[in-house]
Amino acid sequence: AQRVTQPEKLLSVFKGAPVELKCNYSYSGSPELFWYVQYSRQRLQLLLRHISRESIKGFTADLNKGETSFHLKKPFAQEEDSAMYYCALWHQGAQKLVFGQGTRLTINP
Amino acid sequence: KAGVTQTPRYLIKTRGQQVTLSCSPISGHRSVSWYQQTPGQGLQFLFEYFSETQRNKGNFPGRFSGRQFSNSRSEMNVSTLELGDSALYLCASSLDQVLDSPLHFGNGTRLTVT
Repeated sequence: AQRVTQPEKLLSVFKGAPVELKCNYSYSGSPELFWYVQYSRQRLQLLLRHISRESIKGFTADLNKGETSFHLKKPFAQEEDSAMYYCALWHQGAQKLVFGQGTRLTINP
Repeated sequence: KAGVTQTPRYLIKTRGQQVTLSCSPISGHRSVSWYQQTPGQGLQFLFEYFSETQRNKGNFPGRFSGRQFSNSRSEMNVSTLELGDSALYLCASSLDQVLDSPLHFGNGTRLTVT
């Protein structure tokens, strides 16, 4: 079954430290992966997608097909990065986004 | 550009009742998707409408239905409410396919079933 797993429900790091939010997927085809973010009292919004290979707000994510992972990374965390992060997979057959359970990231001052 | 608007923001209903939620997409967006968000199950896809036609459907019972109007506004209906239907219902719009244009989410409607 197509599934997205975010093993950490909560992640807490200090400001200035590197941060990595883990995402693993299971999918039989060629995956299209996304990271969505929800800041406090804001809407869920797209952060980045792997096909764009871009860096948004200092975050990057590399698709590793061998490890079936799409971890989100930032070298130096900032307090404004505190938010809920969701990894999502585009299920081509069902034409829908499959979301992970989310990781709540807290950046401590 | 105005964002995705969902009404009402909060609803309290009793078991057995039915409820209708509304979603107004971003102007020009023709695709509207609905998701159910609960602490236990996370974000679960309900269905997607495009140009007034249901294009995709998730694994929810027939009590959950929707429709889309010619102006792309969408409604979601849940009949014979159950306690387990208590959730945040999110609507998202996009120009077309998710792969071609990103989803823009609304703030959601929080439904409580007592």
